[in-house]
Amino acid sequence: QTVVTQEPSVSVSPGGTITLTCGLRSGSVSARLYPSWYQQTPGQTPRTLISNTNVRFSGVPDRFSGSVVGNKAALTITGAQADDECDYYCVLYMGSGIWVFGGGTKLTVL
Amino acid sequence: QVQLVESGGGLVKPGGSLRLSCAASGFTFSDYYMSWVRQAPGRGLEWVSYISTSSYYTNYVDSVKGRFTISRDNAKNSLYLQMNSLRVDDTAVYYCGRLVAVTAPYYFDLWGQGVLVTVSS
Repeated sequence: QTVVTQEPSVSVSPGGTITLTCGLRSGSVSARLYPSWYQQTPGQTPRTLISNTNVRFSGVPDRFSGSVVGNKAALTITGAQADDECDYYCVLYMGSGIWVFGGGTKLTVL
Repeated sequence: QVQLVESGGGLVKPGGSLRLSCAASGFTFSDYYMSWVRQAPGRGLEWVSYISTSSYYTNYVDSVKGRFTISRDNAKNSLYLQMNSLRVDDTAVYYCGRLVAVTAPYYFDLWGQGVLVTVSS
């Protein structure tokens, strides 16, 4: 069973920079797994942020950026704002029509 | 307006069945792979199933294999999820999602508002 790992919670000061990571319990994340990132405010529908490791979705501010660092995918928020406080999910495409979500990271801006 | 609208949720007893629908509008439905993603109360998102444009390819998360069936009707711009032998742990909000997956980069680019399925006696 594939397990995608994310930090359960992180915090950042307003205006600060934070990096959320997305790994595999067994193995490494690379661009070949086409990591994508989604934002969700509790009770709301998910919002697509990043596809294909580092491609910002339409309308997403450029303070959100994606990358692969070491053996993990990463989502970096530069200049965090109060309304960035929500849950963030990464998804990896494992091939053969299988997608696996990470457990999500709750971001607190304080 | 480009949108996905789910329907068909509700309360069902363990062992029961339910059929979810997702109506697509504002885009050429038959050009896109489609998917269902769910979120149990207080939990994270979980990919459930996907279907290719012509319905030739489908796949499921292991926990629903043999119980859930995904299908689509391109003439009606609609996606379906037939859920049988429902269990308490299938309780979740089910989201319909559009996939960019005919070719890479295999991601979700449009989401419905979700529909709640509650499995309880």
